Amino acid sequence: RKEVEQDPGPFNVPEGATVAFNCTYSNSASQSFFWYRQDCRKEPKLLMSVYSSGNEDGRFTAQLNRASQYISLLIRDSKLSDSATYLCVVNPMNTGFQKLVFGTGTRLLVSP
Amino acid sequence: NAGVTQTPKFQVLKTGQSMTLQCAQDMNHNSMYWYRQDPGMGLRLIYYSASEGTTDKGEVPNGYNVSRLNKREFSLRLESAAPSQTSVYFCASSESGGPTYEQYFGPGTRLTVT
Repeated sequence: RKEVEQDPGPFNVPEGATVAFNCTYSNSASQSFFWYRQDCRKEPKLLMSVYSSGNEDGRFTAQLNRASQYISLLIRDSKLSDSATYLCVVNPMNTGFQKLVFGTGTRLLVSP
Repeated sequence: NAGVTQTPKFQVLKTGQSMTLQCAQDMNHNSMYWYRQDPGMGLRLIYYSASEGTTDKGEVPNGYNVSRLNKREFSLRLESAAPSQTSVYFCASSESGGPTYEQYFGPGTRLTVT
């Protein structure tokens, strides 16, 4: 089983739609969680951290479910500019140092 | 601020050739990382440097060496390139190795080994 698993998609949605991605992780001792965004042929960039209480940043909401070991990302009112690959990232922290484990990404395509 | 810079952007090597990928950051970060990204695999950590003067192996270190030249620079060397090392290589840095610190990535180097 992969440490971090995501549905690769693509998710094709119209502008204005709400879309949700899930990600599961295998290490129950994982300490911190992130969503990164990667545009085609570009570097990953942090979208948001995921906290136990859940967090929201504008149109984006991230949730963590430790009992079921999954993380979710909800995007409301999708924009064309949201088209990208979304990487679920987990930090096991079992060595005391941040060594991130990346999922393979979920591709989102927002159409007019 | 330029953030994290990488050179070269593209490189084609023949099997057995060597090369060094350069990475520099201007954010005064303590920790630096080298990843490779392959289709269907996600980013995988090759080596990291928790602080100046230290380096450690990541998930896929075989065939690579690194040097943390100073606080700003972290280079990755391929001594004898193999086709399996065809990949996109990203350098990243973070303020420290603590659990909440964001990693900032460079633009990547696309390497093809024939």
